[in-house]
Amino acid sequence: LAKTTQPISMDSYEGQEVNITCSHNNIATNDYITWYQQFPSQGPRFIIQGYKTKVTNEVASLFIPADRKSSTLSLPRVSLSDTAVYYCLVVKGLTGGGNKLTFGTGTQLKVEL
Amino acid sequence: DAGVIQSPRHEVTEMGQEVTLRCKPISGHDYLFWYRQTMMRGLELLIYFNNNVPIDDSGMPEDRFSAKMPNASFSTLKIQPSEPRDSAVYFCASRPDRGRAKNIQYFGAGTRLSVL
Repeated sequence: LAKTTQPISMDSYEGQEVNITCSHNNIATNDYITWYQQFPSQGPRFIIQGYKTKVTNEVASLFIPADRKSSTLSLPRVSLSDTAVYYCLVVKGLTGGGNKLTFGTGTQLKVEL
Repeated sequence: DAGVIQSPRHEVTEMGQEVTLRCKPISGHDYLFWYRQTMMRGLELLIYFNNNVPIDDSGMPEDRFSAKMPNASFSTLKIQPSEPRDSAVYFCASRPDRGRAKNIQYFGAGTRLSVL
């Protein structure tokens, strides 16, 4: 599985847009990118996944350049409740995959007033 | 659906005792996963099942750890005997094998285990 590298921590203020970039230089053709969020004392929660270009849902946007060696999770107008650890994962396979998830250290996002 | 349900939420035991953690996956999900999270090692996959059959247990740290899934709605992770280094948060997750959510794992709230 491709190794991922993301910042250990980020700080932001309420109402700001937060972009967390993850590098995955060794991503394979059939791999796709998935982001999870984890609040203290809770299990990780799926946020978004994508293969290329841009994906948007009600929570976030995911930008993936053409070479797919990196991806950026964008959180619009964050609030205090977005304070959490965000994990970038490269998941093997496009169909029925996603069994052996490898969680790295994640990015601790702290949002302040 | 109530989501993945784990019990107990907290467990404190003494070294050498047997510990059993329980998990009820989301109804209809074909895959069940057990993870362990510690500050030092992060979140690690221990074992996963497909249709109640263990598929990959390469993450199970030692023979002291065992997991079973007697039916589609229940799984246990047992540690016997427990040791202080087993102290961690243990998560259970499940996912379906079809549909739009087939690549998404849904996690429970975890069991915080403290072995004294």
